[in-house]
Amino acid sequence: ILNVEQSPQSLHVQEGDSTNFTCSFPSSNFYALHWYRWETAKSPEALFVMTLNGDEKKKGRISATLNTKEGYSYLYIKGSQPEDSATYLCASLTGGGNKLTFGTGTQLKVEL
Amino acid sequence: ETGVTQTPRHLVMGMTNKKSLKCEQHLGHNAMYWYKQSAKKPLELMFVYSLEERVENNSVPSRFSPECPNSSHLFLHLHTLQPEDSALYLCASSRTGHQPQHFGDGTRLSIL
Repeated sequence: ILNVEQSPQSLHVQEGDSTNFTCSFPSSNFYALHWYRWETAKSPEALFVMTLNGDEKKKGRISATLNTKEGYSYLYIKGSQPEDSATYLCASLTGGGNKLTFGTGTQLKVEL
Repeated sequence: ETGVTQTPRHLVMGMTNKKSLKCEQHLGHNAMYWYKQSAKKPLELMFVYSLEERVENNSVPSRFSPECPNSSHLFLHLHTLQPEDSALYLCASSRTGHQPQHFGDGTRLSIL
């Protein structure tokens, strides 16, 4: 993996469904993995910053896991609500520098 | 309200014009960033300033010129832009290069 890749590109779920999406990133020289939520007409909002292999973070109904050895992270949303509709971005920080490399995002739409 | 303010929100300019985008944060952060978001592409880092020094210049054309006069303000000076420069320009800040970034709402730039 040379770039940060996210899948799926978009997702439609029903209210109450649980869902998850994937972020793949270069595992060499890894430093940190960021997740952001970007709602339409708003600014991206930080969800998690993860650094340790096996790390798991939780914020309300949203959680994320990290595997630095194989270069992937999962984001889970339990019991999706319409207000969860947004684009979810992940970004990889390598080499301890300042440069975050973003994926193209997963666009989530939660329908009633 | 993320604490990062960008002006203007929208800008339409001709290819021969000179204009500037402004970003301001009073979060006490030491790092500030300019990103470009083009349609269907990932967020693309343009410049990073850490403690008012430019630490990253991501092969950006010279028609984009950043300025960081102090740790709270960041400018992007625009000169003789091309139609392909039409995009959303986002500013962000963070406490250090490894901390979550706080984004502004962006400037939607259209080049005629």
